[in-house]
Amino acid sequence: EVQLLQSGGGLVQPGGSLRLSCAASGFTFSSYAMSWVRQAPGKGLEWVSTFSGSGSSTYYADSVKGRFTVSRDNSKNTLCLQMNSLRAEDTAVYYCVKSLVGETTTFDLWGQGTMVTVSS
Amino acid sequence: DIQMTQSPSSLSASVGDRVTITCRASQGISQYVNWYQQKPGKAPKLLIYAAFSLQTGVPSRFSGSGSGTDFTLTISSLQPEDSATYYCQQSYSTPTFGGGTKVEI
Repeated sequence: EVQLLQSGGGLVQPGGSLRLSCAASGFTFSSYAMSWVRQAPGKGLEWVSTFSGSGSSTYYADSVKGRFTVSRDNSKNTLCLQMNSLRAEDTAVYYCVKSLVGETTTFDLWGQGTMVTVSS
Repeated sequence: DIQMTQSPSSLSASVGDRVTITCRASQGISQYVNWYQQKPGKAPKLLIYAAFSLQTGVPSRFSGSGSGTDFTLTISSLQPEDSATYYCQQSYSTPTFGGGTKVEI
């Protein structure tokens, strides 16, 4: 079955760190760019980061640049997001997403989402 | 970043109605627009990509059109299961999403 299974998330204090993981199955993971998209409570969608399928290029939204690091392990079909220096405004549901084709940012497969709450 | 402005922010329609949602980009983006449907508590689902291409498995009552800066998602005959929030997204550059349109039946 083609799916993305997310883990991690939870409650963390401002300034803290958290690591999200996403396990892919049912498709050739290394052939596709993978991204993270988040959604603050009651708000719209915001792209966070992308890791290219080919090579090792990474991209970040300005709002997380320098604080978040995306990584992938093609041997384990896993995408991760290391989140440091977390702020209240990072509170959101985070989705792991797959690109429809290659390096495009059209997202055709979404994980179930994982909640990250930054609060003291 | 390219801004995507969706309208309306919400609408109420009846079963069988034709519903149109529009999305305007702050600059020309050719046909690099995608549309997603999100139901409460669920992940978004890709409906339309590249402005008018129907994603596999999506009912044919959904269609997309437009090019440049102005885009449209149309539901030709609204069904009860179409109650959801719809988002446009541009994939021309750093991806950005519209603010969403909540469709109520």
